[in-house]
Amino acid sequence: GAVVSQHPSRVICKSGTSVKIECRSLDFQATTMFWYRQFPKQSLMLMATSNEGSKATYEQGVEKDKFLINHASLTLSTLTVTSAHPEDSSFYICSARPLMGGQNEQYFGPGTRLTVT
Amino acid sequence: QKEVEQNSGPLSVPEGAIASLNCTYSDRGSQSFFWYRQYSGKSPELIMSIYSNGDKEDGRFTAQLNKASQYVSLLIRDSQPSDSATYLCASQESGNEKLTFGTGTRLTIIP
Repeated sequence: GAVVSQHPSRVICKSGTSVKIECRSLDFQATTMFWYRQFPKQSLMLMATSNEGSKATYEQGVEKDKFLINHASLTLSTLTVTSAHPEDSSFYICSARPLMGGQNEQYFGPGTRLTVT
Repeated sequence: QKEVEQNSGPLSVPEGAIASLNCTYSDRGSQSFFWYRQYSGKSPELIMSIYSNGDKEDGRFTAQLNKASQYVSLLIRDSQPSDSATYLCASQESGNEKLTFGTGTRLTIIP
């Protein structure tokens, strides 16, 4: 149980284009999902908290107009990187916390490796 | 500022020995603690969660929590080469869903 999927797993795009990444909880519902970014040899950096039915909460320094988050249902959140630039190249990982059972654990998706050329 | 600190390593342990990973946290309001394993190029995988003082065992893994000392550890018994990975410690404040991660300890099990 507690499986989170992401799509695509890897994407290469040209500078100036937009990329959408999907995060799905496959066997549980989650009112809250989280989006992280990880650069090589660095730890996870929380970008934003995605809340079903409401606006996402962004961490300090993360541009909300550049990283658009939509939490459309209890099992799906999307992150759109708009007008991507080479410095946006990174490993983007989502996580989700099960709604039921009083669990505090967060489960991570497999990640999406974005390369902007 | 909430901080979680880990020794970055690398920590090298012979196969079959016990690997001991340590973590300290600064926020006394933290109530939940987690250990994640991350293989190179992959996303983190939850290994253990611990909420109460003392030990929690799951197979070869034992998590230890000491809230008075603000200290969390992970012991891996009978270490295997497949345990070689970066181990991330994370804390969570009561009522706050966000996790605060340490920078991770790179563990290498030597055959």
